[in-house]
Amino acid sequence: GDSVTQMEGPVTLSEEAFLTINCTYTATGYPSLFWYVQYPGEGLQLLLKATKADDKGSNKGFEATYRKETTSFHLEKGSVQVSDSAVYFCALREGGGSNYKLTFGKGTLLTVNP
Amino acid sequence: GAVVSQHPSRVICKSGTSVKIECRSLDFQATTMFWYRQFPKQSLMLMATSNEGSKATYEQGVEKDKFLINHASLTLSTLTVTSAHPEDSSFYICSAGPGANSPLHFGNGTRLTVT
Repeated sequence: GDSVTQMEGPVTLSEEAFLTINCTYTATGYPSLFWYVQYPGEGLQLLLKATKADDKGSNKGFEATYRKETTSFHLEKGSVQVSDSAVYFCALREGGGSNYKLTFGKGTLLTVNP
Repeated sequence: GAVVSQHPSRVICKSGTSVKIECRSLDFQATTMFWYRQFPKQSLMLMATSNEGSKATYEQGVEKDKFLINHASLTLSTLTVTSAHPEDSSFYICSAGPGANSPLHFGNGTRLTVT
């Protein structure tokens, strides 16, 4: 079945440091890939997405590129801020449309210190 | 943009009572909604898929008689935790999307505490 593996946290960085959170996936078809972010006490928010190979999703300074050859979708940001402290989830969805469920990684807690 | 509203955000109940959690899509119709449970250390578990006008589809290991799901309209799904026990204490999150080629949007979650 489908699965998502992301690097275990927690990850602690200083402000303005470079961030990478690794994510790899296993899927039978050609999934869409997502990164969601969860701030403390809240639900999940879509951060970025990519729907086909070589697509790059980007938002708020975060980027991730859909790499089919390595089945990866690593999240990067060049300079993190304290406000980026949150839990980040990598996810995939087989099939089109929001009637298909998401399969999540276990989440990575990021803490950014001033 | 698409918004999913979840209510209540927090609820405390006594063991043995039932609790209902609502999930609404505010600006779109959703034939399908998903219910997740979030465990300590972040892990999200899909509990069930809620289908408008038909029975929900439960994931393996989820008790359908304990977690009752009703999707009576295209904008509302409810999760009722029946005869709640302390081990049901958790963070429950719903999600839905407007349809084809759209991402899923999540509610802000419900923190259930059973005493």
